[in-house]
Amino acid sequence: GAGVSQSPRYKVAKRGQDVALRCDPISGHVSLFWYQQALGQGPEFLTYFQNEAQLDKSGLPSDRFFAERPEGSVSTLKIQRTQQEDSAVYLCASSSLGGYKGELFFGEGSRLTVL
Amino acid sequence: RKEVEQDPGPFNVPEGATVAFNCTYSNSASQSFFWYRQDCRKEPKLLMSVYSSGNEDGRFTAQLNRASQYISLLIRDSKLSDSATYLCVVSGNTGKLIFGQGTTLQVKP
Repeated sequence: GAGVSQSPRYKVAKRGQDVALRCDPISGHVSLFWYQQALGQGPEFLTYFQNEAQLDKSGLPSDRFFAERPEGSVSTLKIQRTQQEDSAVYLCASSSLGGYKGELFFGEGSRLTVL
Repeated sequence: RKEVEQDPGPFNVPEGATVAFNCTYSNSASQSFFWYRQDCRKEPKLLMSVYSSGNEDGRFTAQLNRASQYISLLIRDSKLSDSATYLCVVSGNTGKLIFGQGTTLQVKP
């Protein structure tokens, strides 16, 4: 498809489990962002990639969160030892421009529920 | 204090009404400003950029007041299809986009 694709759309994990969320950005888009959106809140910035380089990871809430984009296209957000407070929608966005510029195109998100 | 603050609403208005949303931001160095729209359980989508001189796109008008660090969105002649959450977005220190909590609009027939 032409848009940003995320999988899985829904994930239920038991507390303590590890999860991996995948993002397939729009082809050719240089920039890739991960945001976390809790219920009733706006998206919160997690991390930013320009091509394969992770230029900003200031929003990652703890060292349990790890993101990669090894070949500058698909990205994976991994959460280790999930906690209930990790329950949220994880949104991936891409942009054709580098350096935080350009319109962000979001995927539909991965909804994580930690029991 | 949050970097971007919005009144969460909800704003309930009849069709045809004019409604205005406000947003304040704390970082005086912010350079870029946007309104995104998010439908229920969907992803955010860019509605419009906000320029210093103010800008209009059909029924939508955005205004920026740098001195007061305040952004507004005006929707005229509201349609049922305008029902959504409107997210105020401001660039932070490094340029990354910071989203407000969102303001929910419900347009009633």
